[in-house]
Amino acid sequence: DIQMTQSPSTLSASVGDRVTITCRASQSISSWLAWYQQKPGKAPKLLIYEASSLESGVPSSFSGGGSGTEFTLTISSLRPDDFATYYCQQYANYPRTFGQGTKVEFK
Amino acid sequence: EVQLVESGGGLVQPGGSLRLSCAASGFAFSSYWMTWVRQAPGKGLEWVANIKLDGSDQYYVDSVKGRFTISRDNAKNSLFLQMNSLRAEDTAVYYCARDSSTNNWSLFFDYWGQGTLVTVSS
Repeated sequence: DIQMTQSPSTLSASVGDRVTITCRASQSISSWLAWYQQKPGKAPKLLIYEASSLESGVPSSFSGGGSGTEFTLTISSLRPDDFATYYCQQYANYPRTFGQGTKVEFK
Repeated sequence: EVQLVESGGGLVQPGGSLRLSCAASGFAFSSYWMTWVRQAPGKGLEWVANIKLDGSDQYYVDSVKGRFTISRDNAKNSLFLQMNSLRAEDTAVYYCARDSSTNNWSLFFDYWGQGTLVTVSS
């Protein structure tokens, strides 16, 4: 199975900060990577697919990058609505696997 | 508007069975792969299973193989997850999700239901 490892597990930040979350795959997944945002008690929401493509309706403050085994999700300027948990997910191989999540919390 | 509504969750004893359903609307259901993802209380997301457009292929995470069966009824725009031999570690919110793919390879999940809670406990 492909292991997905996110860092950090928790990120403390303030409104307006630029934040970056890293996701590493245990083997190459090309660009077959998605990012999701989840708020407490809610279903996940797709943000980014194919590593860097922005899902329709997602603010342009979100961006994704990387390929192979190392990927990033960047929020250029944190808004109050962005405090949530973020997950990466690979869809190169079965079983599909998610990272353990990164919680972005108020500093 | 795409809508996915799960049902069928509840409390079940270890070793018991449960069948989850997902009613889909707002899109051409038969044209998309569909997926189940679960989330144990306070934990991360875990992909459980997916099924091809016409139901001809299904894939499972190892921990549920032989116990869970994913199926679909395209005439009724419905997705199912039959869960047998349930264990305490199957306790989770189960989400139905639409896969973005309309061809032979499943991709990422672009729409999600609100989830249904399955609790396995005596």
